[in-house]
Amino acid sequence: QKEVEQNSGPLSVPEGAIASLNCTYSDRGSQSFFWYRQYSGKSPELIMFIYSNGDKEDGRFTAQLNKASQYVSLLIRDSQPSDSATYLCGGGAQKLVFGQGTRLTINP
Amino acid sequence: GAVVSQHPSWVICKSGTSVKIECRSLDFQATTMFWYRQFPKQSLMLMATSNEGSKATYEQGVEKDKFLINHASLTLSTLTVTSAHPEDSSFYICSARLAGVGKNIQYFGAGTRLSVL
Repeated sequence: QKEVEQNSGPLSVPEGAIASLNCTYSDRGSQSFFWYRQYSGKSPELIMFIYSNGDKEDGRFTAQLNKASQYVSLLIRDSQPSDSATYLCGGGAQKLVFGQGTRLTINP
Repeated sequence: GAVVSQHPSWVICKSGTSVKIECRSLDFQATTMFWYRQFPKQSLMLMATSNEGSKATYEQGVEKDKFLINHASLTLSTLTVTSAHPEDSSFYICSARLAGVGKNIQYFGAGTRLSVL
């Protein structure tokens, strides 16, 4: 079993809708979780991090963490075409391990 | 956010030569940096963890004699791909960890695209 797993997609969402990205992890020792956005040919950029159970909101983005279920999610409200990218979920106790990434496309 | 500079952004070399990639944390000190490799349409694969003042920790299957890592200061780590071959062609990305209670955020450099002819 991979340490961090994501649905690789592709996920297609109409502009203005909510995009929901999901991630599960296996290491219960993981303390912090991160969502990165990666445009094609570019390096990842940090979107959000979360380390407490519950929701964390930042603008149009909301990260959710459920440690009991070992589940992390990212919601993107009012999706824009510029949100089209691959989203990487990362977590781990000592080093970040990434899922395979979810390719998101926002359709105008 | 913290800034990580990676250089060069793109390099082409002949098979058998060595290539050095630099990773610098510009506005913070990083005792730990990481080196990743990414092949087209695949996720990031951690190659090694670079610790300032000590030997790097390599992931399983990564040849330490081929991918030399040096982390001589709190702001600089280097990756040298020795005797590069076409199969080493990839996108190499470094990150530096900004330590904090419960956070340990990693910031990424812009990446280095290596093409070995």
